[in-house]
Amino acid sequence: KQEVTQIPAALSVPEGENLVLNCSFTDSAIYNLQWFRQDPGKGLTSLLLIQSSQREQTSGRLNASLDKSSGRSTLYIAASQPGDSATYLCAVRRPGTASKLTFGTGTRLQVTL
Amino acid sequence: SQTIHQWPATLVQPVGSPLSLECTVEGTSNPNLYWYRQAAGRGLQLLFYSIGIGQISSEVPQNLSASRPQDRQFILSSKKLLLSDSGFYLCAWGQGGRGSPLHFGNGTRLTVT
Repeated sequence: KQEVTQIPAALSVPEGENLVLNCSFTDSAIYNLQWFRQDPGKGLTSLLLIQSSQREQTSGRLNASLDKSSGRSTLYIAASQPGDSATYLCAVRRPGTASKLTFGTGTRLQVTL
Repeated sequence: SQTIHQWPATLVQPVGSPLSLECTVEGTSNPNLYWYRQAAGRGLQLLFYSIGIGQISSEVPQNLSASRPQDRQFILSSKKLLLSDSGFYLCAWGQGGRGSPLHFGNGTRLTVT
């Protein structure tokens, strides 16, 4: 059974810092890994999708890496801003039908002024 | 462009009452559709998914059911709500294929009293 873990569960950093969020999964047989952002009381916003054959993806100040063989992914946020404050979730897509995702429990990020 | 609509945004229902949450997707055809639940302090749990009209798969036994009466409409229902049904319900869609991302709606906050 696939299990996804995110460390740390919560993180507080001052504005301007670079930071790394970690995601690990137990079964390396995945199709892809997706990072999401969730603001309080809101739905999930997709940030980055990394295919199993890729090593990293970049979007603006965000960079996600994937090491499938070791079951790890990181989300790097450069020059953090207060608007980055949210919960970040990673999810892996299991092989099989219907694109089902297994989610981690998230990292709650607070960027302070 | 594709959009996903979910309603209502919030709902307070007494124990034993029925439930109907609706989700519709625009701008795509034959999407895979999903219902997830996010309970307080817990990760997202996949409840149901559908790869076509009338095709519903359940991931966990529970007090809920799902239906897909039209290609881009997904409904979550219950005949009699339990206190344990409280949570944040999220609808999502994705296209078939290994590389496709999932996109989420804004969610429904259900409180059963």
